[in-house]
Amino acid sequence: AQKITQTQPGMFVQEKEAVTLDCTYDTSDPSYGLFWYKQPSSGEMIFLIYQGSYDQQNATEGRYSLNFQKARKSANLVISASQLGDSAMYFCAMRGSSISSGSARQLTFGSGTQLTVLP
Amino acid sequence: EAQVTQNPRYLITVTGKKLTVTCSQNMNHEYMSWYRQDPGLGLRQIYYSMNVEVTDKGDVPEGYKVSRKEKRNFPLILESPSPNQTSLYFCASSLGSGGIGELFFGEGSRLTVL
Repeated sequence: AQKITQTQPGMFVQEKEAVTLDCTYDTSDPSYGLFWYKQPSSGEMIFLIYQGSYDQQNATEGRYSLNFQKARKSANLVISASQLGDSAMYFCAMRGSSISSGSARQLTFGSGTQLTVLP
Repeated sequence: EAQVTQNPRYLITVTGKKLTVTCSQNMNHEYMSWYRQDPGLGLRQIYYSMNVEVTDKGDVPEGYKVSRKEKRNFPLILESPSPNQTSLYFCASSLGSGGIGELFFGEGSRLTVL
């Protein structure tokens, strides 16, 4: 079974500073994908960044980067130069590669981290 | 623009009145799926489809139907909605059916059943 753990229910960061949101995972699949999504109060689920387990380099997308440490099974999201519009719930998720076990059929989500950016 | 489009975004309906939530993607994705999000329960998968004409149950399929007659569309059908189906619904799609690659969500459909 797959599991995602986000240990920070809430985080505060000052505008223009960087912030790291923690995510650890557990899986027995040989390959898998890791995702981060942003959900503002309006409700939509916005894709931020993706990291494949065999990708050699950490993923980056603009101000977002994923600090992937495979041996530690961690996939932390780093947001640089925080903006007020970054205030939202952030979800870490993973998807496996096994059709037979069902891990490929759906995302497994963490419980989320509520990020508040302070002016 | 690559996107997953859901309609309606908001809907209030009454018990027993059949409704359909449409989902369409313009990325030629093979995989599509429906989730519902409820406070304290997180996101739970309702149904998924690995390709055209291939659908299967997720974790909470009771009370829902789906179809995948063409690649781009994956409608969610509530034949006889009940108040416990009041929820925020998301459609999602990804290129591959094998589990690897980016997965995108629609904007969500907030459904209230009275």
